[in-house]
Amino acid sequence: GAGVSQSPSNKVTEKGKDVELRCDPISGHTALYWYRQSLGQGLEFLIYFQGNSAPDKSGLPSDRFSAERTGGSVSTLTIQRTQQEDSAVYLCASSLGAGGASEKLFFGSGTQLSVL
Amino acid sequence: DAKTTQPPSMDCAEGRAANLPCNHSTISGNEYVYWYRQIHSQGPQYIIHGLKNNETNEMASLIITEDRKSSTLILPHATLRDTAVYYCIVINTNAGKSTFGDGTTLTVKP
Repeated sequence: GAGVSQSPSNKVTEKGKDVELRCDPISGHTALYWYRQSLGQGLEFLIYFQGNSAPDKSGLPSDRFSAERTGGSVSTLTIQRTQQEDSAVYLCASSLGAGGASEKLFFGSGTQLSVL
Repeated sequence: DAKTTQPPSMDCAEGRAANLPCNHSTISGNEYVYWYRQIHSQGPQYIIHGLKNNETNEMASLIITEDRKSSTLILPHATLRDTAVYYCIVINTNAGKSTFGDGTTLTVKP
């Protein structure tokens, strides 16, 4: 597609339920990133993929969070047993993945997650 | 990745140049400086990046000091639509985690 696509755009769930957030990166982009942004805060790094592998999972806040990427394209961020503090906008970005001079990130519009 | 420090907020008069500073005193030789901005309720948007030379594109200019410990993003003629949070980040030549700080909230006033 022309840009990074995220779905759903909004998700309301009850505490304790599992949720899946989807990201479709720009075609040909090998690197994919997930960030979280709480209301009024900056971007918190969650995880980074190069191809299908995740060399950096350091930002995942707990073992309730997991992510996968298949076919070097679509990625899914899964949050199990959601808590109210998980409420935030979850942003996905992709890049060519060539490093340094070519690490221009293209962001999606995000998924607004609300845990009641 | 090197940590960056930015002022939390700045104001600028419409039509004037907006100069947004960023300190990255621990930057290493293979790290690039990138600038993004985030307009309310949207994903961040790339503005410009550089290694050691000053750069200019259709959106902005980037001035990097000779010692590379700081940089300034310049919006030459700020408009009301430039009101946003501006993030300065540094990225290694190897692709990986890009850490965003809290950014600078720029408010352009008429």
